[in-house]
Order: sequence, then C-alpha cells, then structure tokens
Amino acid sequence: EAQVTQNPRYLITVTGKKLTVTCSQNMNHEYMSWYRQDPGLGLRQIYYSMNVEVTDKGDVPEGYKVSRKEKRNFPLILESPSPNQTSLYFCASSLWVGSYEQYFGPGTRLTVT
Amino acid sequence: AQSVTQLDSHVSVSEGTPVLLRCNYSSSYSPSLFWYVQHPNKGLQLLLKYTSAATLVKGINGFEAEFKKSETSFHLTKPSAHMSDAAEYFCVVSDFSRGNKLVFGAGTILRVKS
Repeated sequence: EAQVTQNPRYLITVTGKKLTVTCSQNMNHEYMSWYRQDPGLGLRQIYYSMNVEVTDKGDVPEGYKVSRKEKRNFPLILESPSPNQTSLYFCASSLWVGSYEQYFGPGTRLTVT
Repeated sequence: AQSVTQLDSHVSVSEGTPVLLRCNYSSSYSPSLFWYVQHPNKGLQLLLKYTSAATLVKGINGFEAEFKKSETSFHLTKPSAHMSDAAEYFCVVSDFSRGNKLVFGAGTILRVKS
C-alpha cells in the first residue's frame, strides 16, 4: 500500500531532551516536507526537501533540523525541544516539486513539558 | 505571496441540509487550490483540487467546489450533509515560490446536527 508513515504517533517529552520524528514514504517521491498544525493557524511548513541532499527552510524552521540522506526518509530533529514546540506534526510527500497532489502521513502529536 | 482566508471558523448544519464552507484566496499567479478534510484524531485527506482545468471541481463524498476568479473564491459545497461529514476542513493554495509549499487556511469546523 502506498503510504507515508510517521513514528512515533504520540510522544511526551521534557524540555531539552533531543528527539527525532521519523517519516518514510514508499512511493519513490522526490519531494518531502514537514508541517506543524496549531489550533487556529492551520498547517505551517517547517522544512522541505526537493530531492536527496537538498533541503530548505519553510516558514517556521526555528528549533528544527532535517536531513535527507535517502529518498524515502525525511526525519525531523528537535535538538533541544521547548514547550512552544508542542504541536501536531505532519510529514508530506509528492512525486516531484511540481506535483499538485501531496500525500500526508498520519501525524505525530508531540507534547513538551 | 499566496494566501487563503476561510471566512467561518465554525459552521453548523442539520443532517440532510446543504453545506457551504467559504474560502477566498490571494494569488500572484494562476492558483492551484485544494480542500482537505481532517476528521477528529485523524490525518489529512484530500477532498478535491483545482488546477486550472474545469472551474467546477467534483471531489469525494459528494463535495464540490467552484473556482471563481472574479470573486477570488473557492467555496466548498455539498447538497446534503451527513453525520459523517463532521470534521475540520482546510482550504489550501500551492505556493511554488519556495518548493511546493501548501498554504493552509485556519480551518472551518463543520458540525452536523441530527
């Protein structure tokens, strides 16, 4: 089944403890991105990756890192999480940067205390 | 810059009555527009998309939207609401200036009363 998977789905952590949220797609997509969803704000893009080794900042990149060493994986790294990073995170992918349709993962609900 | 404005944060309808969720967009070029739905504690599902073909777009589950350039609108409609339609709906525009960023509206929560 074609899909985008994220792990973990739920995570509660403490301020400053490094964490990684994984994202993997099995559709051979070139383009991947991360969004965060906050009430009343919709989704906002954190980072995106045009293809392997090429990443760039979205609208809200502060406090996040990403890497794209393989086409299928695009992990989101929080080096020192803070409470304002408590949010619902979505990974998305599309065939290439110009594709209209993007496929979303199921989401990761992160709470930082 | 591309942007969308969803005109209602909450909409309440009775089962079997029409649904109208309003969205206006701002775009410096011919836009690609989408509606996504998010059911409680679920991920995002694409309802329909407009990519400069027919202005009336049909989506899944009986939803449709009409692109009106003169009004810069892309309202979502459904003739008859079902209880299972209760969810949050997002109007979205593509911004190709930096990658392929999806710019989301703030969302409209649809409540369906029995």
